[in-house]
Amino acid sequence: LAKTTQPISMDSYEGQEVNITCSHNNIATNDYITWYQQFPSQGPRFIIQGYKTKVTNEVASLFIPADRKSSTLSLPRVSLSDTAVYYCLVGDIGGYQKVTFGTGTKLQVIP
Amino acid sequence: GAVVSQHPSWVICKSGTSVKIECRSLDFQATTMFWYRQFPKQSLMLMATSNEGSKATYEQGVEKDKFLINHASLTLSTLTVTSAHPEDSSFYICSALQWTSGRAGTDTQYFGPGTRLTVL
Repeated sequence: LAKTTQPISMDSYEGQEVNITCSHNNIATNDYITWYQQFPSQGPRFIIQGYKTKVTNEVASLFIPADRKSSTLSLPRVSLSDTAVYYCLVGDIGGYQKVTFGTGTKLQVIP
Repeated sequence: GAVVSQHPSWVICKSGTSVKIECRSLDFQATTMFWYRQFPKQSLMLMATSNEGSKATYEQGVEKDKFLINHASLTLSTLTVTSAHPEDSSFYICSALQWTSGRAGTDTQYFGPGTRLTVL
């Protein structure tokens, strides 16, 4: 299982773009990268998933360089409600998608 | 789509009793579900992998006789904490694996809202 490393915490002002980078040096060929958001006392919520290059959906973008040893979650124009813990996970294609949660990044959005 | 529910959302019980937590995938079938535990201010820890129609696979250090898992259908997995003690108090979260047929690598875990267990 690929291990991930993220900053423990980040602060950002409302309306700014936030980029959270995750390091996964041991990512395997079959691994996908998935980001989740978790609020206190709630289960993680799926944000975005990708394999390479760039993926964009209605809430975020995911940038993955060619070597795939890192990935960056980009949140455009954050609001106070984006204050949460963000987890980067790396898991196998198919199979059981068993993953290991790292420490996550606690994002604090400031008014 | 991809909604996972858990019941109950919270439970308080006396030490020595057993508690059952249900995890349901509401709009998709899940051959595989996972059970996690999360202590305050900590990350999620995988407890076990639940496979429909077969025995669960437990992570190292997790007592299979204490945390009984039953995945009887493609939409339901249950976790029973037997003879619960105060140290079992935690936030239990399940997830269900949604496969996207025909597109390898796009299976994704969707998580339930969690169950807060407090053992007195």
